[in-house]
Amino acid sequence: RKEVEQDPGPFNVPEGATVAFNCTYSNSASQSFFWYRQDCRKEPKLLMSVYSSGNEDGRFTAQLNRASQYISLLIRDSKLSDSATYLCVVTPGGSYIPTFGRGTSLIVHP
Amino acid sequence: GAVVSQHPSRVICKSGTSVKIECRSLDFQATTMFWYRQFPKQSLMLMATSNEGSKATYEQGVEKDKFLINHASLTLSTLTVTSAHPEDSSFYICSAPGTGEGNTIYFGEGSWLTVV
Repeated sequence: RKEVEQDPGPFNVPEGATVAFNCTYSNSASQSFFWYRQDCRKEPKLLMSVYSSGNEDGRFTAQLNRASQYISLLIRDSKLSDSATYLCVVTPGGSYIPTFGRGTSLIVHP
Repeated sequence: GAVVSQHPSRVICKSGTSVKIECRSLDFQATTMFWYRQFPKQSLMLMATSNEGSKATYEQGVEKDKFLINHASLTLSTLTVTSAHPEDSSFYICSAPGTGEGNTIYFGEGSWLTVV
């Protein structure tokens, strides 16, 4: 089993839709969780950290489920500009080496 | 916020030559930097961990004699692809863990290497 797994998609949704991605991780000792956004041929950029209590930033909501070992990202009112690949990143406890998921591709169409 | 700068952003080289990619932390000290490679539509794959003042730690399957890593200072790490082959053509990206809370990872802009 891969350490961090994501559905590669693509998720093809119309503008204004709500879309959710999940990411599962295998190391139960993982401590830090992030969602990064990567545009085509660009470097990943931090979208948001994921906290145990869940967190929201505008149209984006991230949640962590430690019992089931997954994190989620919810995007409300999708915009065309949200089209990108969303990478799940997990850092194990006691290590600073992040592990990346393969990424989930989102395509928002008019 | 913290910035990691990577250079060059694009490079084309001939087979058999060597290419050096630089990664600099601009406003913080990075005792550790990570080098990744990403092929089209693939995940970022960790190649090695660069440690200032000591040897780099390479991931399994990555040839340390081919991908030379030098962490020359607390703000600079370099990756040299030696005797480049067309199959080395890829997107190479460095990153460094931030020093603030949350263990945020900061990425360089990435380097597109094409070997012809």
